[in-house]
Amino acid sequence: RKEVEQDPGPFNVPEGATVAFNCTYSNSASQSFFWYRQDCRKEPKLLMSVYSSGNEDGRFTAQLNRASQYISLLIRDSKLSDSATYLCVVLTDSWGKLQFGAGTQVVVTP
Amino acid sequence: ETGVTQTPRHLVMGMTNKKSLKCEQHLGHNAMYWYKQSAKKPLELMFVYSLEERVENNSVPSRFSPECPNSSHLFLHLHTLQPEDSALYLCASSQDGDGTGGSPLHFGNGTRLTVT
Repeated sequence: RKEVEQDPGPFNVPEGATVAFNCTYSNSASQSFFWYRQDCRKEPKLLMSVYSSGNEDGRFTAQLNRASQYISLLIRDSKLSDSATYLCVVLTDSWGKLQFGAGTQVVVTP
Repeated sequence: ETGVTQTPRHLVMGMTNKKSLKCEQHLGHNAMYWYKQSAKKPLELMFVYSLEERVENNSVPSRFSPECPNSSHLFLHLHTLQPEDSALYLCASSQDGDGTGGSPLHFGNGTRLTVT
């Protein structure tokens, strides 16, 4: 079983709609969780950290479910510029043992 | 210049060549990383340096040799690579130097390597 699993998509989303997707992780000792965004042929960039209580940043909402071992990302009022691959990242151990998922592709269409 | 810069952006090399990738961070961070990203696969951690000392070598073949001369610069020396080593190589830095890993990674824009 992969340490971090994501639905590769693509999720095709009409502009203005809401899209949500999850990421599951296998190690219950995982400590920190992040969502990164990677545009086509660009480097990943931190989108947001995921806190136990859930957190919101504008149109983006991240949730953590420790019991079921998954995190989620919800994007409201999708913009064309939200088209990207969203990488789920889980910290299980020290020293850069950040485990990356392979990413979920989101395509927002006019 | 700010952030994390990598050179070259693209590199094509033969299996018998020797080349080096360069990374420089202007963020005052304490840790630097090399990652490999192959198509449709998760980023794979290769090496971690903290305060110029290597603290992680993730079972990377010896044909990849990192060097960290100071806290702002990181190199990846390549020799006798294989075609399957073709990938995007990303350098990153983070604030923490103590291994907690809680600080976000700042990535460079990568070197797209093709081994022929």
